[in-house]
Amino acid sequence: RKEVEQDPGPFNVPEGATVAFNCTYSNSASQSFFWYRQDCRKEPKLLMSVYSSGNEDGRFTAQLNRASQYISLLIRDSKLSDSATYLCVVSRASGTYKYIFGTGTRLKVLA
Amino acid sequence: EPEVTQTPSHQVTQMGQEVILRCVPISNHLYFYWYRQILGQKVEFLVSFYNNEISEKSEIFDDQFSVERPDGSNFTLKIRSTKLEDSAMYFCASIAGLHTEAFFGQGTRLTVV
Repeated sequence: RKEVEQDPGPFNVPEGATVAFNCTYSNSASQSFFWYRQDCRKEPKLLMSVYSSGNEDGRFTAQLNRASQYISLLIRDSKLSDSATYLCVVSRASGTYKYIFGTGTRLKVLA
Repeated sequence: EPEVTQTPSHQVTQMGQEVILRCVPISNHLYFYWYRQILGQKVEFLVSFYNNEISEKSEIFDDQFSVERPDGSNFTLKIRSTKLEDSAMYFCASIAGLHTEAFFGQGTRLTVV
């Protein structure tokens, strides 16, 4: 089983739609959780960190369920500029500290 | 805003040649990483570096690869005897401390011909 799993998509949604991405992780020692955004042929950039209490940043809401080892990202009122790949990233410190990436979910927002 | 810088942005090399990819992490960061992304695939961990030594390496990071921090600022990835399948985007990343945001460089696109 992959350490971090995501539905690769693509998700094609109309402008203004609400879209949800899911991610599961297998290692219960995972400690920190993030959503990164990656545009085509660019570096990943932090979208938001994910906290147990859930957190919101404008149109974006992230949730973490440690019991189910599940992370989600909700994007409301999708914009054309939201088109990108969304990467679920999990960190752990068993032995050493590193970030593990999911495969990413591709989103295309259509006019 | 501080940033991680990588050079070159694109490197074309012949199979069997050696390449050195360079990174300047953010100055007060403590942990450094190299990741690889083959076109259309996921971002894969190669190696982590802390306290001037490798702290972990993946199965991909075999004897063909090495990392150095020669002068306390630059962080290099050397790939010896390159193969066609080494063609990928190589990202350097650094973090200030545990559980903090990883900052990525813009990447070096390596093309082996």
